[in-house]
Amino acid sequence: QVQLVESGGGVVQPGGSLRLSCAASGFTFSSYGMHWVRQAPGKGLEWVAFIRYDGSNKYYADSVKGRFTISRDNSKNTLYLQMNSLRAEDTAVYYCAKDKEAAAGFDYWGQGTLVTVSS
Amino acid sequence: AIQLTQSPSSLSASVGDRVTITCRASQGISSALAWYQQKPGKAPKLLIYDASSLESGVPSRFSGSGSGTDFTLTISSLQPEDFATYYCQQFNSYPALTFGGGTKVEIK
Repeated sequence: QVQLVESGGGVVQPGGSLRLSCAASGFTFSSYGMHWVRQAPGKGLEWVAFIRYDGSNKYYADSVKGRFTISRDNSKNTLYLQMNSLRAEDTAVYYCAKDKEAAAGFDYWGQGTLVTVSS
Repeated sequence: AIQLTQSPSSLSASVGDRVTITCRASQGISSALAWYQQKPGKAPKLLIYDASSLESGVPSRFSGSGSGTDFTLTISSLQPEDFATYYCQQFNSYPALTFGGGTKVEIK
């Protein structure tokens, strides 16, 4: 069965960095676009970043552009999110999510990993 | 950027009720819309894609309709397990995506 398992969350000071990972299994990882979505405590969902199945294209929300970098290692079936210059407003649960197919919904999500930016 | 406005932001309903949630896009998005259900402490679950296509394994009491700027998610007969928050998501500007603000369905 399809599984997405995030890791790497934790508490970091403002201005600090963190790298999230998402280990994928149960499907051909190298064939699907992948996304990061976040949810601040008690708030709604916010799309963060996308990477094409082969890593050739990446897109970011304006709120994280220039600070976050999405990447993937198809040989390890793993998705990453490098987060730099973290701010208090980046505090959220971060989910990785798999494209059902291009532009048709996210059919699988991880359980989420909490990132807290606080001094 | 395309904005999605959901209404209502919350509602109270009883088991067996018919529930309708609306999602309005700030510009036309054809049928590029999905609906998700999220329960507290859990990841969202895909219910509907392409505005009206039911995701595999989702009960048939859920249905979606609409195109252009106005969309609806309908639960024909609310069940106890349906109390949750529902989000719409547009894919017209894929891969840059936006979610609606959410609709919380509570027990009356």
